[in-house]
Amino acid sequence: AQKVTQAQTEISVVEKEDVTLDCVYETRDTTYYLFWYKQPPSGELVFLIRRNSFDEQNEISGRYSWNFQKSTSSFNFTITASQVVDSAVYFCALSEAYNYGQNFVFGPGTRLSVLP
Amino acid sequence: NAGVTQTPKFQVLKTGQSMTLQCAQDMNHEYMSWYRQDPGMGLRLIHYSVGAGITDQGEVPNGYNVSRSTTEDFPLRLLSAAPSQTSVYFCASSAPGQNNYGYTFGSGTRLTVV
Repeated sequence: AQKVTQAQTEISVVEKEDVTLDCVYETRDTTYYLFWYKQPPSGELVFLIRRNSFDEQNEISGRYSWNFQKSTSSFNFTITASQVVDSAVYFCALSEAYNYGQNFVFGPGTRLSVLP
Repeated sequence: NAGVTQTPKFQVLKTGQSMTLQCAQDMNHEYMSWYRQDPGMGLRLIHYSVGAGITDQGEVPNGYNVSRSTTEDFPLRLLSAAPSQTSVYFCASSAPGQNNYGYTFGSGTRLTVV
């Protein structure tokens, strides 16, 4: 069975601090995809990144970076020099390859508050 | 492209009433899904469809019906609304092999059952 855990329910940081959001997943499939989505206060879900299980390279996009470690089943998300606009709920999600697109399993989300 | 369109954006129902949440996509995506979002629980899959005429249950299907008569539309029906169905509902679509973004989500429907 698939499962995604985001142990941090809420995080508060002061602007310009770095912050890491943790994501731990469980799957029996050897091929799977991991995602991060952002949900700002307006409520829509915004795609941030997709990573497949064969690609363990870390990825950086501007102030965002992702650390994927299969050995610990983790896919953590770091925001460098946080800004108030980063305040949102962030969801980690998993989709196994055999039913890709049919069923994404989401973690409970981490609410990030960036204070000015 | 409009993407995934959900209507209505807000709805208040009385217990026992029925209603249909509409979802339409114009991207010719094969897969469509309905999720509900509740505080502290992330998004949970209600029903999904892998193509016209094919639907299946997700994690929390009780109290909801779906049908998929066309590729574009995937309505979600609440047969007899209950307060436990107060939630934010998201419709999503995807096209495996063509879409690197996982799901394309609608903007959500906030439903309150009183």
